[in-house]
Parts: sequence; C-alpha cells; structure tokens
Amino acid sequence: TQLLEQSPQFLSIQEGENLTVYCNSSSVFSSLQWYRQEPGEGPVLLVTVVTGGEVKKLKRLTFQFGDARKDSSLHITAAQPGDTGLYLCAGAKEDKLIFGTGTRLQVFP
Amino acid sequence: GAGVSQSPSNKVTEKGKDVELRCDPISGHTALYWYRQSLGQGLEFLIYFQGNSAPDKSGLPSDRFSAERTGGSVSTLTIQRTQQEDSAVYLCASSLYRRNTEAFFGQGTRLTVV
Repeated sequence: TQLLEQSPQFLSIQEGENLTVYCNSSSVFSSLQWYRQEPGEGPVLLVTVVTGGEVKKLKRLTFQFGDARKDSSLHITAAQPGDTGLYLCAGAKEDKLIFGTGTRLQVFP
Repeated sequence: GAGVSQSPSNKVTEKGKDVELRCDPISGHTALYWYRQSLGQGLEFLIYFQGNSAPDKSGLPSDRFSAERTGGSVSTLTIQRTQQEDSAVYLCASSLYRRNTEAFFGQGTRLTVV
C-alpha cells in the first residue's frame, strides 16, 4: 500500500512553461517535505512545510501544504532545464519519513 | 563532519551470491533508513533504525534481505542468494531523531546482479 501518491509520474515540458506536481494521501502527516534527486545522486531536501495551509516559496518554486495536512503541491514557474530531476515528497509519520512515488521532470531548452 | 557515506558505489555480482552494502551515517544521527530505487522509479522503503529501538523491517521484500546497525552508527544491508530482480540502487539516509527533521542521503550503491 502506497501512502503517498504523486502525480503526474512523468512530465516533459519546454523551458519557460509552468507546472504543478501533486502529492496526495489519505493519511495525516505532521510535516511534508519535498526533495529533488539528480542522476547519480541521493535526494536533497528542498523544503519542509509543517502547518496546514502553509505556503513556502523558493525562487521559482512554490510549495503548499493542504489544510488537512494530507496533501501538498509543488508549482514551478517558468521552468528551466536545471529543474530537470526526480521530485519526491515525503511525509513524516510517527517520526519516520515515508516517501512518495516520485515525479520525473524533464525540461527541454 | 562528512555526509552519509555508502560503499561500494558500484557492485556487480553473480546471481546466487551474497552481497553486503555499507552505510556510514552522519555522526550523531540516530535515525537511519535504507531504500531501494529501481531504474527511473521512486524510493522503496526497506528498513528503519532508530536508536536502540527494534528496527522497522516492514519494507524488506523477502527473508533474503537483512540489515543490522552496530553501535548505533554504521549499518550493513545484506542480500543473500541475489536474484536479478535485486538489481537497483540502494540508498541510505540518516537524520536526527526529531520531528520534521531533514533526511540526508548517501550517493547510493548501484547493485547489478548478472
């Protein structure tokens, strides 16, 4: 049983386009993290959201935690080739991190 | 100090052989995770260690897989009688035992079973 489902699974877009990645669950999490993984590397933390409804911005990336703390979204404005990678959400539950299924993003110049 | 260190970085083994993968977590991190990542896929949870508590082994796919953590630090993931479907990148991560804390990942061990 996958607790955290991400959509879409794959996304290929042109440079300059906007996109949104979703992370959904039926479970409540105490926090939600987003990681990005580049080829040959381990995932690296982008952001942690803790409060229901919280919105955090990291340059062109906007992260939102759902009001009920069951879901989250990542919006990228004006995507660039450097944004290419695997995006993973992770929920904290009973002090253990549970990772989502991942969204593989490819941004073409 | 240094980040999470995994060794070897690459391992090619023959089907049926046993392999050991090592993870050195960040000093002071009491939580340690092992994940498996097949080509192009997300992370599959394998096992979680937290301090001296009994590990959460709920993600181990079969009894051929086992892991231990000695002295609350270094961890070894052992796969016995390897099968081709075991081929994947095995990632280790460590974190402080604290709410909402960040997990730091190693670069992984790429295991290929031929």
